[in-house]
Amino acid sequence: GDSVTQMEGPVTLSEEAFLTINCTYTATGYPSLFWYVQYPGEGLQLLLKATKADDKGSNKGFEATYRKETTSFHLEKGSVQVSDSAVYFCALSDGGSGYSTLTFGKGTMLLVSP
Amino acid sequence: ETGVTQTPRHLVMGMTNKKSLKCEQHLGHNAMYWYKQSAKKPLELMFVYNFKEQTENNSVPSRFSPECPNSSHLFLHLHTLQPEDSALYLCASSQVSAGDTEAFFGQGTRLTVV
Repeated sequence: GDSVTQMEGPVTLSEEAFLTINCTYTATGYPSLFWYVQYPGEGLQLLLKATKADDKGSNKGFEATYRKETTSFHLEKGSVQVSDSAVYFCALSDGGSGYSTLTFGKGTMLLVSP
Repeated sequence: ETGVTQTPRHLVMGMTNKKSLKCEQHLGHNAMYWYKQSAKKPLELMFVYNFKEQTENNSVPSRFSPECPNSSHLFLHLHTLQPEDSALYLCASSQVSAGDTEAFFGQGTRLTVV
């Protein structure tokens, strides 16, 4: 079945540091890929997405590129802020059924200090 | 109004109690989902509904009983739960389509079974 693997956390960075959170996936077919973010005490918010190979999703300074050859969708940001502290989830949806039945990774906590 | 609203935000119940979680979406979507988020485990899809019809049940125990009276409302009825059922229960909605499968999540209900 489908699966998503993302790096263990927590990731601890100083403000303005460069961020990378690795994500790799296993899926049949051509999934859509997502990064969701969960702030403390909140639900999940979509951060960015990519629906086909070589697409780049971007939002709020975060970027991720759909790499079919390496089955990866790594999240990057050039300069993190304290307000970026949250848990980040990589997810995929096979999309074949038209439903958003997501397979998630375990999540990576990001802690940014001033 | 926010897109997907869940009530209550927090719930504590005994193992012999019966309670219900409520989800309402104001996005005009036709599919709704229940996910379970347990500590140190990936989010798990529980149920999927399309136009009030259940289309997926991921081997969820019968002590969890979903109900979808219309395309805007989704309930999760709980009875005789176990302490290991304590988790964050997230509701989501999406528009079933051949392309974009983005899901929108509520803030979740934090359930504690004592």
